Amino acid sequence: QQQVKQSPQSLIVQKGGISIINCAYENTAFDYFPWYQQFPGKGPALLIAIRPDVSEKKEGRFTISFNKSAKQFSLHIMDSQPGDSATYFCAASMMGGNTPLVFGKGTRLSVIA
Amino acid sequence: NAGVTQTPKFQVLKTGQSMTLQCAQDMNHNSMYWYRQDPGMGLRLIYYSASEGTTDKGEVPNGYNVSRLNKREFSLRLESAAPSQTSVYFCASSERGGGLNTQYFGPGTRLTVL
Repeated sequence: QQQVKQSPQSLIVQKGGISIINCAYENTAFDYFPWYQQFPGKGPALLIAIRPDVSEKKEGRFTISFNKSAKQFSLHIMDSQPGDSATYFCAASMMGGNTPLVFGKGTRLSVIA
Repeated sequence: NAGVTQTPKFQVLKTGQSMTLQCAQDMNHNSMYWYRQDPGMGLRLIYYSASEGTTDKGEVPNGYNVSRLNKREFSLRLESAAPSQTSVYFCASSERGGGLNTQYFGPGTRLTVL
């Protein structure tokens, strides 16, 4: 059972455009939603995260939008740059307890000039 | 402060051979994890250790064993490697499990089983 569904699997965006990656979750007990960024040959690293008490969180060009009723959240990358080319993973977990993050399958983003 | 280190970086095994992947963290984290990453499959949790002295199965534990040697070190063992275990393996650690605890990943071990 895939608890976090991520789409699209791959994405090509022109430099300066907006990149949008979507995730949907099933477990209503999830209450923490991070995004990880992975460059080729490297391990993933935390990019930005949101808690469900807010509908949006912005850090620079990166924004998470959260829709609790739809059980969906998305990553928007504004003014996408070639340096943003990477694989992005959404994840979910419960703040209480000790359970690990549940990751989506990832989106490979390519930003072309 | 090296963060999470993994050895080796690359390994080629023959079917049936055994090996241990080593992982260490210097951030005094309580929780440690082993993932495998395959194309189109994302990061799949193999085993995790919520705290020193405990280990639990993840999504894909078959064919693997783990040892939480101490608070710093968490090893992954393949007793009899199979071609299906060809993958990139990542170790990660966090202050504890659950939310609001950033997972820090190592650089990965690329394993090929022939």
